[in-house]
Amino acid sequence: EDKVVQSPLSLVVHEGDTVTLNCSYEVTNFRSLLWYKQEKKAPTFLFMLTSSGIEKKSGRLSSILDKKELFSILNITATQTGDSAVYLCAVPRTSSGSARQLTFGSGTQLTVLP
Amino acid sequence: SQTIHQWPATLVQPVGSPLSLECTVEGTSNPNLYWYRQAAGRGLQLLFYSVGIGQISSEVPQNLSASRPQDRQFILSSKKLLLSDSGFYLCAWGPDQETQYFGPGTRLLVL
Repeated sequence: EDKVVQSPLSLVVHEGDTVTLNCSYEVTNFRSLLWYKQEKKAPTFLFMLTSSGIEKKSGRLSSILDKKELFSILNITATQTGDSAVYLCAVPRTSSGSARQLTFGSGTQLTVLP
Repeated sequence: SQTIHQWPATLVQPVGSPLSLECTVEGTSNPNLYWYRQAAGRGLQLLFYSVGIGQISSEVPQNLSASRPQDRQFILSSKKLLLSDSGFYLCAWGPDQETQYFGPGTRLLVL
């Protein structure tokens, strides 16, 4: 059974700190890994990673994948209070159909204090 | 650009009442569509997915059902709600087999 594990479960930092969120996975026939940010409403898409060692970057957020060690990290530099959210990691599940169901981790609750 | 709509945003229903949540997608054709539920403090659980009109796959047994009467419309229903059906219901669409984009969600409280 596919598995996605995120750590830490929660994290409290002060504005300006840098944080690293972890996601490890066990899936059959890995294709990609996705990161989402969920504030009080629906998750918003951040990154999709398919290749090892290639960093994806968007502003202060960046992410990288290690397919050998089966994990990904999400970095946020110079954190702001607006970064407070649950960060979700997901991996498309192996499926015989054309739709890929996502297996989600439990998320990391990040709280950034002013 | 593509947008996904869900309504209502919030719903309070008594136990035993029926349910109908609607999701529509604009700006794309033949998307993969998904219904998720997120219970308080828990992760996202996939309920149903659809690869085309009238094609529904169920992930977990439950008293909910889904239908896709049109290409870009996905409906989640129940004939009789249970207390345990309370949660945050999210519809998502996917342009391909890998990526999914979520709608704004419906908060359902069953009393």
